[in-house]
Amino acid sequence: AQSVTQLDSHVSVSEGTPVLLRCNYSSSYSPSLFWYVQHPNKGLQLLLKYTSAATLVKGINGFEAEFKKSETSFHLTKPSAHMSDAAEYFCVVSDRRGSTLGRLYFGRGTQLTVWP
Amino acid sequence: EAGVAQSPRYKIIEKRQSVAFWCNPISGHATLYWYQQILGQGPKLLIQFQNNGVVDDSQLPKDRFSAERLKGVDSTLKIQPAKLEDSAVYLCASSLRGEQYFGPGTRLTVT
Repeated sequence: AQSVTQLDSHVSVSEGTPVLLRCNYSSSYSPSLFWYVQHPNKGLQLLLKYTSAATLVKGINGFEAEFKKSETSFHLTKPSAHMSDAAEYFCVVSDRRGSTLGRLYFGRGTQLTVWP
Repeated sequence: EAGVAQSPRYKIIEKRQSVAFWCNPISGHATLYWYQQILGQGPKLLIQFQNNGVVDDSQLPKDRFSAERLKGVDSTLKIQPAKLEDSAVYLCASSLRGEQYFGPGTRLTVT
């Protein structure tokens, strides 16, 4: 079975400081992992994805995540937070059957607040 | 390219009433999904279509929820009758080669 645990429901940082959003996953198959961002009243937007290539994945807006199989983790980081990064972030896992992605399983989300 | 369109954006109904949501996916995307996102939780898949056929509806409460995608393009999700616990954001997504693109959602409040 696939599942995702986002270890923090809320994270607050000051503008210009690093961001760390933590995610642990469980998967019975070779997983694909994603981070999505959701700004108020907007649709979910894909930040980055891991699908079995390089374990360090770079995404949009300066975000990156590292797949660590031994720790079953896929933490999201950014060196320097910007006010526009304030949003809800979702870690997502999907199993892969060959080249086909299975159902997406979302974590409960982490609300990121950025203080000026 | 245009994104996934959904309407209405907001809907308030009383319990036991019926409601319908509409989704227009990105042109050419064969796969369409409906998700339910309850406040404070991540989205949960309700139903997945491949063209006009259902691939996965295992988490759809079929006693009150129904969905169709008759011509393999637009889709409608219906709730009849609505319950208080159906209050949520209903998200539509579409995909071509696995990556899902989400619409802005319909926020449903059941009073």
